Amino acid sequence: NAGVTQTPKFRVLKTGQSMTLLCAQDMNHEYMYWYRQDPGMGLRLIHYSVGEGTTAKGEVPDGYNVSRLKKQNFLLGLESAAPSQTSVYFCASSYSTGDGELFFGEGSRLTVL
Amino acid sequence: AQSVTQLDSQVPVFEEAPVELRCNYSSSVSVYLFWYVQYPNQGLQLLLKYLSGSTLVKGINGFEAEFNKSQTSFHLRKPSVHISDTAEYFCAVSDNYGQNFVFGPGTRLSVLP
Repeated sequence: NAGVTQTPKFRVLKTGQSMTLLCAQDMNHEYMYWYRQDPGMGLRLIHYSVGEGTTAKGEVPDGYNVSRLKKQNFLLGLESAAPSQTSVYFCASSYSTGDGELFFGEGSRLTVL
Repeated sequence: AQSVTQLDSQVPVFEEAPVELRCNYSSSVSVYLFWYVQYPNQGLQLLLKYLSGSTLVKGINGFEAEFNKSQTSFHLRKPSVHISDTAEYFCAVSDNYGQNFVFGPGTRLSVLP
């Protein structure tokens, strides 16, 4: 059972380049999230989705875009990477109702030079 | 809006000693409370959760937490820690629909031999 899978796990970009992080979950969860983790700041929500075809902004959405074309996938895009986007990115998913537990991927470490 | 405070950014403790990691939250609505653990280079895993009922919640690996509504706290405890408990611990709060998660900044627990 894979759970939540993120690709790629590591990436180095130059300022101005673009890239997409892919998150896939096999638990049939309705809700999916993208967080970034920076030292001393915990996890901050970038964007989230409450179902296929819907997305919404979180706490720190600027510079990122997302898409949820299929229920099992949630893509995070950086159109023009900046050094401030150097971070570890985590995808998570959860059921739409119930106890609200989040299931996390292993993270994607992005460095922008 | 909800917020979470973890007063201790780092907690060093000797092996087999007890430990308490503090968490305080603020919210204008009823909440669910969570503790997540992050081992080095991994994603977050659920340690325990409070949804309702008994205020003392037991989780995995011998951890427990107590919900104190009057003090708006949800401190995490373990009577005897092991080297393998070395990790970062995050307190989180969500609304009582199990959504709108907010994470604290994390506490790094270092267990010393």
